[in-house]
Amino acid sequence: RKEVEQDPGPFNVPEGATVAFNCTYSNSASQSFFWYRQDCRKEPKLLMSVYSSGNEDGRFTAQLNRASQYISLLIRDSKLSDSATYLCVVRVLTGGGNKLTFGTGTQLKVEL
Amino acid sequence: DGGITQSPKYLFRKEGQNVTLSCEQNLNHDAMYWYRQDPGQGLRLIYYSQIVNDFQKGDIAEGYSVSREKKESFPLTVTSAQKNPTAFYLCASSIVTGNMNTEAFFGQGTRLTVV
Repeated sequence: RKEVEQDPGPFNVPEGATVAFNCTYSNSASQSFFWYRQDCRKEPKLLMSVYSSGNEDGRFTAQLNRASQYISLLIRDSKLSDSATYLCVVRVLTGGGNKLTFGTGTQLKVEL
Repeated sequence: DGGITQSPKYLFRKEGQNVTLSCEQNLNHDAMYWYRQDPGQGLRLIYYSQIVNDFQKGDIAEGYSVSREKKESFPLTVTSAQKNPTAFYLCASSIVTGNMNTEAFFGQGTRLTVV
């Protein structure tokens, strides 16, 4: 089983739609969680951290379910500019330091 | 301006040659990471380092080597033992504190093509 798993998509949605992505992780000792956004041929950039109580940033809502070992990202009122790949990231403290593992990413295409 | 710099942006090498990718950061971050990304794929961890003169193998370390002689520098060498070296290589760094929710910042990446 992969350490971090995501549905690769693509998710094709109309502008204004609400879309949700899920991500599961296998290591129960995982300590912190993030969503990154990656545009085509660019480096990933932090979209938001994911906190235990859930958190919201404008149209974006992230949630964590430790019992089931998954995190989610909800995007409301999708914009054309939201088209990108969304990467789920998990940090685990190992004997050698902080290991940051990425999922394969979920591709989102927002259309007119 | 503080940031993380990878050079060069594009690199071409002949098969069988070793090549070293540069990664420098002036963010005073303790942790540094190297990832590889293939087309349509996610990022796979090659090596990571939390302190100077110490580093750990990631998930796909075979055929790669690193050094961490200075806090700000974490060069990656792609050796001839790496069977499929053509890929997009990304370097990242982050601070290390008691607060685990600290983001990693990425360089702009190096596209390596081996012919």
